[in-house]
Amino acid sequence: EAGVAQSPRYKIIEKRQSVAFWCNPISGHATLYWYQQILGQGPKLLIQFQNNGVVDDSQLPKDRFSAERLKGVDSTLKIQPAKLEDSAVYLCASSPLPTAYGYTFGSGTRLTVV
Amino acid sequence: QKEVEQNSGPLSVPEGAIASLNCTYSDRGSQSFFWYRQYSGKSPELIMSIYSNGDKEDGRFTAQLNKASQYVSLLIRDSQPSDSATYLCAVPLNAGGTSYGKLTFGQGTILTVHP
Repeated sequence: EAGVAQSPRYKIIEKRQSVAFWCNPISGHATLYWYQQILGQGPKLLIQFQNNGVVDDSQLPKDRFSAERLKGVDSTLKIQPAKLEDSAVYLCASSPLPTAYGYTFGSGTRLTVV
Repeated sequence: QKEVEQNSGPLSVPEGAIASLNCTYSDRGSQSFFWYRQYSGKSPELIMSIYSNGDKEDGRFTAQLNKASQYVSLLIRDSQPSDSATYLCAVPLNAGGTSYGKLTFGQGTILTVHP
């Protein structure tokens, strides 16, 4: 079984630029999460999708972050404009059920904003 | 008060010793608890889950839960250098409501097992 695929692995941008991350979940997994992990901290949930609908985006900074999951499969997370404090690893995870906690994380995208 | 708190360490133990990792949580409604392991530069992976007071053993790992004290711990027996990683404690987000799979993580404890 293929795991959760994320790209790119690394990205360096200047502040105020825009950036997008892509995630392809495990086949058949209806639930998809985006987490942000700042260095030295635990992951923090940004958004949860169930199929192509948003379940919870209460912790997503909507003035600059957006996410979509068209067709209920892969997802993109966008930041526009980026700030220095957005430097982090962005982790995507998927689960077959919305109530399961043992989900599989992708390898993440490390974003550096300079 | 943070929802999930861990001693960030680093915790250093000799090979073969018992490593004890601790976590406290603030939401008394939490019913399930999870330990994730994260190697440097890698993503977190689930290693233990516990739902009832007491101990749960899985190989060299034992999770301990005390809901009255709002405390959960992870013991690693016969620690190996390959256990060196960051260990993250996680509880469902907004456990008193409908958390639907979302997790709140502690900041993680860095464990180093030296030969």
